[in-house]
Order: sequence, then structure tokens, then C-alpha cells
Amino acid sequence: DTAVSQTPKYLVTQMGNDKSIKCEQNLGHDTMYWYKQDSKKFLKIMFSYNNKELIINETVPNRFSPKSPDKAHLNLHINSLELGDSAVYFCASSQDSSGNTIYFGEGSWLTVV
Amino acid sequence: AQSVTQPDIHITVSEGASLELRCNYSYGATPYLFWYVQSPGQGLQLLLKYFSGDTLVQGIKGFEAEFKRSQSSFNLRKPSVHWSDAAEYFCAVGAYSGGGADGLTFGKGTHLIIQP
Repeated sequence: DTAVSQTPKYLVTQMGNDKSIKCEQNLGHDTMYWYKQDSKKFLKIMFSYNNKELIINETVPNRFSPKSPDKAHLNLHINSLELGDSAVYFCASSQDSSGNTIYFGEGSWLTVV
Repeated sequence: AQSVTQPDIHITVSEGASLELRCNYSYGATPYLFWYVQSPGQGLQLLLKYFSGDTLVQGIKGFEAEFKRSQSSFNLRKPSVHWSDAAEYFCAVGAYSGGGADGLTFGKGTHLIIQP
């Protein structure tokens, strides 16, 4: 079983559309994250949730909205997609916020055309 | 704020040769340090981590890394590389504070090329 799974793995969509990426972890972790990897492969944290509560919200356009229905799920909704949103989005989780290892999903490749 | 520098964007190594990837960090307290590997079109896989204790840590796939506080470094090494090691390698520092999940700050990555 994949520990952190995210769907879809590949997504091609037109500008202006609204899309969602789903993430689930079966590790029993309390903390989940979304990271963005740009075309230069630079990874940067976008959001983190601890027990369904938003902890980090980096400087991200408000078109991006995370939603955590329970602590095993953290979905990413993106409204009014723009060309610059094309990137790889990684979901991740850790046991808690006190220094444990972060485990990453396999990534979702988003291309906006 | 913490930061990570990986000074080498690309490194080319012959198969069977030794490897060292450099990583320097900036952080005001004791850091939590990680190396991740990303193969083309794949996600991030944890190679090894340092939280405390022995400064030489062993990881998967024959990798090791040494934490040197005096140099603010956490360089990754492998005595003999294989063609399958060709990938992007990321060093990361964790800035964890009580009550908050600060996540990881990544370096910009080192692209490892293996030549026959």
C-alpha cells in the first residue's frame, strides 16, 4: 500500500478551469502538507495542516484552497487556473510537528494550457 | 529563517567512482537535516536523515552523510555510484517549533549524471 497517495498523477487543463488534487495518507500521521515544485525543480511549502487545522499558509494566491475533511486527507483545490500554475504538486505527511520525517507522495504533474 | 544551499547544480561522475554532494544550511538552532532523491518523473524518496546523535548517518542505497556543525554542512557521499543513481538530489532542513508544523526548506537540488 502506498503510504501517501495523491490523484491524479497527471492533469492537463485549460486556463480558467477549476481543478482539485486529492491526497490521502494511511500512516496515521497528524500533519499533512502541500509542496510545489516549479519548472526549475525548486520545492517550496505551500500549506501544512495539523489535525485538520491550518498551520502554515505561505504566500500563495487565494485561488489555492486546501481542504482537510479528516486528518488522513488533505485536498488541494485550485480555481481559475493560470499558465504559471503549471508545476508538480507534492502532498506529504509527518507523524506530528515536532521533528519527525516527512514522507512525500509521488507528485501530481499539472499542466495548464 | 532557515536556508539550504547546494552549490553544485550539476555533477557528472563515472560509474564506479565515488560521489560527494555538498549541502550547507543556515539555521539558528540544532537542525533536522534530510537528503531526498528524485528520479525522473518520480516523487521524492528519503535517503537519510539526521536528528541528533552520531554525526555520520547511514541511509538507503549505500549512501551516507556527515553532519558538521562547525561548517554548517551535511554532505552526501557514496563510495561507488551505479548508473541507477542518476537523479536529482535535494538537501533539506527542518525547522520544527513546538506547536507548529513548519515543514522543510529545500535546497535547489543537484542533478547527478552518471557516465559509463
